[in-house]
Amino acid sequence: GAGVSQTPSNKVTEKGKYVELRCDPISGHTALYWYRQSLGQGPEFLIYFQGTGAADDSGLPNDRFFAVRPEGSVSTLKIQRTERGDSAVYLCASGRGGTDTQYFGPGTRLTVL
Amino acid sequence: RKEVEQDPGPFNVPEGATVAFNCTYSNSASQSFFWYRQDCRKEPKLLMSVYSSGNEDGRFTAQLNRASQYISLLIRDSKLSDSATYLCVVKSGSNYQLIWGAGTKLIIKP
Repeated sequence: GAGVSQTPSNKVTEKGKYVELRCDPISGHTALYWYRQSLGQGPEFLIYFQGTGAADDSGLPNDRFFAVRPEGSVSTLKIQRTERGDSAVYLCASGRGGTDTQYFGPGTRLTVL
Repeated sequence: RKEVEQDPGPFNVPEGATVAFNCTYSNSASQSFFWYRQDCRKEPKLLMSVYSSGNEDGRFTAQLNRASQYISLLIRDSKLSDSATYLCVVKSGSNYQLIWGAGTKLIIKP
């Protein structure tokens, strides 16, 4: 079956711009996670959704970052007033529940110039 | 101190050799442990879970030492296709948030 998909695969933007990154989880998965991976580092947790609600957003670095999952399926990570330090690969993962294996999408490589 | 620490490598190993990765974690309440594999510019993929009794999957063996807060991965008879970055991952007390090491890069040479 189809895995987790993320769009776009690459996004180049200028400092100060707004970006949206999309994640399509595996069908039927209620848990959805966003991670950020900088070069040479492991992924860093950002936010966890169980259904439509954000069960844990403690990893979001500041209030420029926001994520939604209005219908409990597709999720969008939104970054306002992007900064060069936001450049990273943004990974999305989904699972059947909070304790289940997390399946990762291919990521969106964000570059802020 | 980072929550999960790994040797950054890279490890340059000849094909057929045995290679071992080590990982330490700081949160004694951690409950679940994993090794993930990540190929260059790809997403991480679960290689194996790590159980207290130790577990083996073909050429791969994982061990957990809770007293020392130490996890290991052993790869026997290494193949060229084993070249990748190996990430040690620990689940926090919340039981869903994955805490990742920075990864150890492995390069298998013919």
